[in-house]
Parts: sequence; structure tokens; C-alpha cells
Amino acid sequence: QLQLQESGPGRVKPSETLSLTCTVSGGSISSSSYYWGWIRQPPGKGLEWIGSMDYSGNTYNTPSSLKSRVTMSADTSKNQFSLKLRSVTAADTAIYYCARRAVVGRKIDSWGQGTLVTVSS
Amino acid sequence: DIQLTQSPSSLSASVGDRVTITCRASHFISSYLNWYQQKPGKAPKLLIYEATTLQSGVPSRFSGSGSGTDFTLTIGSLQPEDFATYYCQQSYNTPYTFGRGAKLEIK
Repeated sequence: QLQLQESGPGRVKPSETLSLTCTVSGGSISSSSYYWGWIRQPPGKGLEWIGSMDYSGNTYNTPSSLKSRVTMSADTSKNQFSLKLRSVTAADTAIYYCARRAVVGRKIDSWGQGTLVTVSS
Repeated sequence: DIQLTQSPSSLSASVGDRVTITCRASHFISSYLNWYQQKPGKAPKLLIYEATTLQSGVPSRFSGSGSGTDFTLTIGSLQPEDFATYYCQQSYNTPYTFGRGAKLEIK
């Protein structure tokens, strides 16, 4: 059974870089049938798509509002993928989810449990 | 970006009721519309993809309809475990966007 698990600091200072890693078990991130992505949810608010990538590191679908600050990468040897969000502000405080998006159906069919990242000095 | 407008944003219903939530897209999205259920403190769960296809393992009381710009999620007979927030999401065009959610509460 596929499992995704986010890891990283729970607190980041304003203007610094938020770094998260998603470890995948029960499946390979090298599969051509899936993309791997990130979604966030400010406390008590709705969901925001951050972007997705394939195992080669090609990134897709990042909103223009975030594009200049987002970097995604993959480490196939560890079956992990990562998110870096630069120059964070309080508005970046959110629960960050990693997820799998299927090529067929373009559906997000598996999610990590989420990790709360607070931007605060 | 494509905007998704869900209505109602909140609703109250009783166990056994039939409930409908709508999602309207600001532009044509064909059938690339997905529905998710989220319970407090949990990650969202996929219910319906490509507007009408039930995800494996999801009870058949959930159904989806629509295409183009107007979509509907229907829960045929509410069960206690269905009280949650429901989100629509379009995967037709980047960036993929979500609706603001519809919170379903017990009456």
C-alpha cells in the first residue's frame, strides 16, 4: 500500500527558505504513470495547489504567484521528492501535503498526512 | 487561472438525506473535475474523478455529474461518516485549482 510521509522543520523564520521532503513507500517515484506534487492549506482555510513534478525533476502546474519562489526536486535513490519555498512570509504558514497525481484521470489519488509549517520569528 | 465556485459553502442535513453540492468553473474544463472529502485533522480523500468516475473503494452513495463548466456531487443517503468538507478541483488547465469547499454538518 502506497504511503507518503512529509518531513521537515515545523517553524521557519520570515525571509528564509522552507524545505520539505516527502518519502514514498509501497511504490516507486520513478513510475511514468504518476507525478508527485505538493498542496498546502492555511489553518482553517481551503486547499492551494503548489505544483507537481515527474521523477526526472521536470516541474509542472505551479501557479504564477508561487513560481518564482518554488523549487521541486527528486531523489530516486531514496524514493523521495522535495519542495523548497524561498523568501517565506506569514502568508506561507500552512499544512503542507505531499501527494501523488495519476497521469490517467489527472487525479490526486494518494496524500501524505500533512505537516504544519509556521512562519514566525 | 480557472476559478471554481462551490455552493453552498455550508449546509446542514440529517442522516438519510440526499445532498447535492455544485461546482461551477469560470472557464470550460471538459470533464477534468475531481471531488475530495476532508475530515478535520485529516488529508483530503479522492471520491470522484473526471467528473463522474467513482474512485475505487468509495461507497456507491457518492456520485458525480456534469461537464463543461457545471458539476454536481450527490450523496444519495447521508451516513454519519459523511459529515465533512467537500472540495472540487479542476485538472484541465494549469495551475490546478480547488474550490473553497462546502462544509456538511449534522442537522
